[in-house]
Amino acid sequence: GENVEQHPSTLSVQEGDSAVIKCTYSDSASNYFPWYKQELGKRPQLIIDIRSNVGEKKDQRIAVTLNKTAKHFSLHITETQPEDSAVYFCAASPEEVTGYSTLTFGKGTMLLVSP
Amino acid sequence: DTGVSQDPRHKITKRGQNVTFRCDPISEHNRLYWYRQTLGQGPEFLTYFQNEAQLEKSRLLSDRFSAERPKGSFSTLEIQRTEQGDSAMYLCASSLGVGQGNEQFFGPGTRLTVL
Repeated sequence: GENVEQHPSTLSVQEGDSAVIKCTYSDSASNYFPWYKQELGKRPQLIIDIRSNVGEKKDQRIAVTLNKTAKHFSLHITETQPEDSAVYFCAASPEEVTGYSTLTFGKGTMLLVSP
Repeated sequence: DTGVSQDPRHKITKRGQNVTFRCDPISEHNRLYWYRQTLGQGPEFLTYFQNEAQLEKSRLLSDRFSAERPKGSFSTLEIQRTEQGDSAMYLCASSLGVGQGNEQFFGPGTRLTVL
């Protein structure tokens, strides 16, 4: 089955700096890669996702890049703000023709943005 | 609130007791997923429904676990003869149907504590 590795496990940055979180996956059939943000005691919230037919996607201060050959994808947050502090999870799945897929999650990265 | 809802939010039970959790997905979503999340880990897939049909179960789902979605709307997850190792956050997620993407939206979770 799929295995997703996520690094680093914790990341501390100063407000205004950039943050990068990296994930690798093992199943070459995976073609859908979402990122979730989970604040303490709250539900995981989808913040951005990418499918294997593109190499990069951007939404304001957040961007995701995908390298299918190397089987890795990354989350980039620019101009970090204290409210970006949370645990971030990457995930991967084989989004098949039927649309069915099971998400396999990484173990998460705790991002702390200091004012 | 039109998001995914779960009930109860917290459950404390004694070892050996049975517990049941409920999930109400976003109304137009016909896919429903159950995940389990323990401290410091990402969500782990348990089972998945397409309408009322349970299409996949993880090996994590022992015989003590059963899930239903009788009318293709809300779902229940029952754990029989609870063990201390069952203590976790149980998350429900839902997504749209075939050809409409697999963005999964999570509920707030039910935190189970087995004493």
